[in-house]
Formats: sequence, C-alpha cells, structure tokens
Amino acid sequence: EDQVTQSPEALRLQEGESSSLNCSYTVSGLRGLFWYRQDPGKGPEFLFTLYSAGEEKEKERLKATLTKKESFLHITAPKPEDSATYLCAVQAVYGSARQLTFGSGTQLTVLP
Amino acid sequence: DVKVTQSSRYLVKRTGEKVFLECVQDMDHENMFWYRQDPGLGLRLIYFSYDVKMKEKGDIPEGYSVSREKKERFSLILESASTNQTSMYLCASSFRGLGYSGTQYFGPGTRLTVL
Repeated sequence: EDQVTQSPEALRLQEGESSSLNCSYTVSGLRGLFWYRQDPGKGPEFLFTLYSAGEEKEKERLKATLTKKESFLHITAPKPEDSATYLCAVQAVYGSARQLTFGSGTQLTVLP
Repeated sequence: DVKVTQSSRYLVKRTGEKVFLECVQDMDHENMFWYRQDPGLGLRLIYFSYDVKMKEKGDIPEGYSVSREKKERFSLILESASTNQTSMYLCASSFRGLGYSGTQYFGPGTRLTVL
C-alpha cells in the first residue's frame, strides 16, 4: 500500500526565516511526486511535479527536491502570504496510475 | 485558466436524505475525481472517472455513487446521508495522459454537514 507522511504537522516561522518541509513516501514504483498548496476554505493548487531522484523545481521562494525516499519543500525567506497548508502526493507506476495518494499536509504560518 | 466549479460551497442535510454534489470543469479534461478531506486524514479518493459513463472506485467508495453523463460534469451522490459523511468534498480534474494525470485541478470544495 502506498503511503505518504508529511512532517512537521505545523510550522510557525518568522518572516524571512528559511526552513524545509518533509514528505516521506513508500510506493511500489514512483511515477511522480506532486506538491500542492491549499489556502483555508479553498481547494488545493498545483505547485510542482518531480519524477526522478535528484530532480529539483523552483518557483519564487519555493524549491522542491526529490530523493528515492523523500521530498523536501524548501522555503527561502518566506513572507506572510506563503502561509498555507502544503500537501504532498505520489502517483504510482503500478495499480491505478490515475490515483494520487496524499499526505496529511504541513500547515505553515509565517508571522510578520 | 482551468476552472473547476462545484454546485455549493456549504450544504446542510438531514440523516437519510439523498444528496447530490455536482462538479463542472471547462478544460475538456478526461479524468475527474471526487475526494473528501478530513482533519488529520488528508484527502481520500472516493471515486474517479476517466471517460463519460466510466467510473472506478477509489479508497472509500462505500455509501457513495457517481454519475458522469457528460464529459464536463461529474456528480457525487450520497444515497442516504449519514453523520459520518460530514466532511469537505473536493472535485478535481486532469488530462488523461499519465504524464499529466497527476496534475489535478481542484474546485473550491463543498462543506457538507449532515445532522
């Protein structure tokens, strides 16, 4: 069974204080790993897709990296508008490849 | 921009009622999905559809059914609502190709309360 574990569950940062969110996964064969951002009362918004170990993607203050067992979402010099819940999901090669398995998310709060 | 809309943002129903949640997407996506989201449990897939009139069960299909009569529209049906179905329901859509199907576009969600 595919599993995704995100840590920490919640993270409070001061504006400008860089940090990383972790996503550990267990999957029979990884087709892709996805990061989403979810604001309160809204649906998740797609951020990145990573396909193979060593791959990195960047968008503004966010950088996602991937190893064979985990992914990190690095947040550099965050701003209050980066406050949201960040969700990680995996898509397996085997089984129903259309399905994503989501983690429970990390709730990020950036204080001004 | 991709747009996924859901028929209601908030819904309150009584135990035993039949509930319809509707989702419409405007990007000609082949795949459509219904999830529920509960604190501490993350998003869990209820059903998905990869074509008109086609459907597959997700991880938690019990107590739910779906209908997809048109490509742009995917409905979730609670045949007899129960209090344990109180949750946030999220619809999503994506292109068919496996390289794209993980990039899902979500609607704003429907917060359903069953009394």
